Amino acid sequence: AQSVTQLGSHVSVSEGALVLLRCNYSSSVPPYLFWYVQYPNQGLQLLLKYTSAATLVKGINGFEAEFKKSETSFHLTKPSAHMSDAAEYFCAVSDRSNSGYALNFGKGTSLLVTP
Amino acid sequence: DAMVIQNPRYQVTQFGKPVTLSCSQTLNHNVMYWYQQKSSQAPKLLFHYYDKDFNNEADTPDNFQSRRPNTSFCFLDIRSPGLGDAAMYLCATSRVEGGLGYTFGSGTRLTVV
Repeated sequence: AQSVTQLGSHVSVSEGALVLLRCNYSSSVPPYLFWYVQYPNQGLQLLLKYTSAATLVKGINGFEAEFKKSETSFHLTKPSAHMSDAAEYFCAVSDRSNSGYALNFGKGTSLLVTP
Repeated sequence: DAMVIQNPRYQVTQFGKPVTLSCSQTLNHNVMYWYQQKSSQAPKLLFHYYDKDFNNEADTPDNFQSRRPNTSFCFLDIRSPGLGDAAMYLCATSRVEGGLGYTFGSGTRLTVV
């Protein structure tokens, strides 16, 4: 089964600083990869997805991620953090071996943005 | 707007009392999923329906059941909730080709007292 590993369960950045959330994947086939954001007591909102087109993927709220096959990575970045970016972020891979293409999630990274 | 709606947003049930959570979608997606998310953990897939075909994850407890009476609705039944079943339950939908994207509902927060 395909899986992802998120490095760092908590990341703290200052407002205006670069945001970097790390995700590495394990897959025997070209993966579909996703980043989701979750605010407290809310569902998951899609930030961006990689589906084997362009390796640099731009998403909502100024986030982007780059698919690097050689590093099996799909790290999420944002040039300048806002206070409103504080949330839980999940990297996920779509398991194509499953008839329903279920998502396998990483354990999540909690982003704290300080003034 | 096409969307996934979960009701209720918050549900309190008594230990051992059956409870049903509901999910509806206006996207006409073939696949509907139920995920369980415990506090500070990643969502964990319980089961999914591909049209009327039910697919149970191997480690999903028998206490959890699901029904999909039509394309638009899917229900999660917990036959005898225990304290360990307190969690956020997330419904999601997708077309067969998962790369086209998944849409999540806002979730139902279940409390067991």
